[in-house]
Amino acid sequence: GENVEQHPSTLSVQEGDSAVIKCTYSDSASNYFPWYKQELGKGPQLIIDIRSNVGEKKDQRIAVTLNKTAKHFSLHITETQPEDSAVYFCAASAYGNNRLAFGKGNQVVVIP
Amino acid sequence: ETGVTQSPTHLIKTRGQQVTLRCSSQSGHNTVSWYQQALGQGPQFIFQYYREEENGRGNFPPRFSGLQFPNYSSELNVNALELDDSALYLCASSIRQGGNTEAFFGQGTRLTVV
Repeated sequence: GENVEQHPSTLSVQEGDSAVIKCTYSDSASNYFPWYKQELGKGPQLIIDIRSNVGEKKDQRIAVTLNKTAKHFSLHITETQPEDSAVYFCAASAYGNNRLAFGKGNQVVVIP
Repeated sequence: ETGVTQSPTHLIKTRGQQVTLRCSSQSGHNTVSWYQQALGQGPQFIFQYYREEENGRGNFPPRFSGLQFPNYSSELNVNALELDDSALYLCASSIRQGGNTEAFFGQGTRLTVV
């Protein structure tokens, strides 16, 4: 099955700086890559996703890039704010089955 | 808010007991997936239901079972509870329409087995 790895485990950034989280996946059949933000005591919240037919997608301060050849994808958060502090999960899914394989998560801490 | 609701929010059970967790999916969503999230880990896929039938299963034993109802709500049942079953149980609803679509999660049920 799909194996998703996520690095680094913890990331501390100064408010206003950028944060980058990288993930790798193993299954070449995977073609859908969502990112989730999870705050303490809450369920994961979908923040952005990308499909394998595009290499980059942006939504305001958040962007995701995908390199299918290298089987890795990254989340970029610019102009970080304290409310960006949370655990971020990357995930991957093969065509049509909506079954997500998650990474272990990254704790992002934005220091005011 | 995702429109996905789970009940109860917290639950404490004794080893060997059985538990039923419930999930109401987002309006219009016909697929429900269940995940187990251990402390400090990412969610692990348990199984998925589509049109009231199990449609894929992760690496979980048969004592984990489920149901989906005509209104697309769902239940997760766990028999013979073990201490390692203590985790956050998440359900996610989505629309199955020929390709991967966004999955929206509920807030989860925190199960503690003592």
